[in-house]
Amino acid sequence: AQKVTQAQTEISVVEKEDVTLDCVYETRDTTYYLFWYKQPPSGELVFLIRRNSFDEQNEISGRYSWNFQKSTSSFNFTITASQVVDSAVYFCALRDTGRRALTFGSGTRLQVQP
Amino acid sequence: DGGITQSPKYLFRKEGQNVTLSCEQNLNHDAMYWYRQDPGQGLRLIYYSQIVNDFQKGDIAEGYSVSREKKESFPLTVTSAQKNPTAFYLCASSIAGEKLFFGSGTQLSVL
Repeated sequence: AQKVTQAQTEISVVEKEDVTLDCVYETRDTTYYLFWYKQPPSGELVFLIRRNSFDEQNEISGRYSWNFQKSTSSFNFTITASQVVDSAVYFCALRDTGRRALTFGSGTRLQVQP
Repeated sequence: DGGITQSPKYLFRKEGQNVTLSCEQNLNHDAMYWYRQDPGQGLRLIYYSQIVNDFQKGDIAEGYSVSREKKESFPLTVTSAQKNPTAFYLCASSIAGEKLFFGSGTQLSVL
């Protein structure tokens, strides 16, 4: 069975600090996909990134970067120079061949103070 | 604009009552999903459907029912058998295997 663990329940930082959100996953499949979503106070989930299990290259998109390490089953998300608008709940998710739906972690609430 | 529409935004249920949450998409996606969100527990899968007239139970299907008579629509009924229905319900759709697009959610509360 698949499982996603986000051990950090809540993180509070001051604007311009860098922050890393951790994600650890479990799956028996060799082919799987990992995702990150952002949930602002409005409630709607916003897609951030999708990564397949064969692509271990790190990804950078503006202030966002993702570090995928199969050896430790981790897919961590870093925000550089955080801003107040980054305040939200962030979810990591997994989809493998065993089920055609995403399994989500419990989320990390990020609060960026001005 | 293409997207997913959930209605109503807020819904109240009386004891013993069934209520139906609406989810409509105009993205031409084959797959649709229902998730429940409780504080501190993330999103849990209730039901999902890969094609019209077919759907599968997720992790917490008890007390819920769905139908998929049209590609665009995937309504969720919260039955009286669901003893703790208060939660935020999110509908999503996708092209099979790709990222999920989410609606803005329905907050269900018990009177």
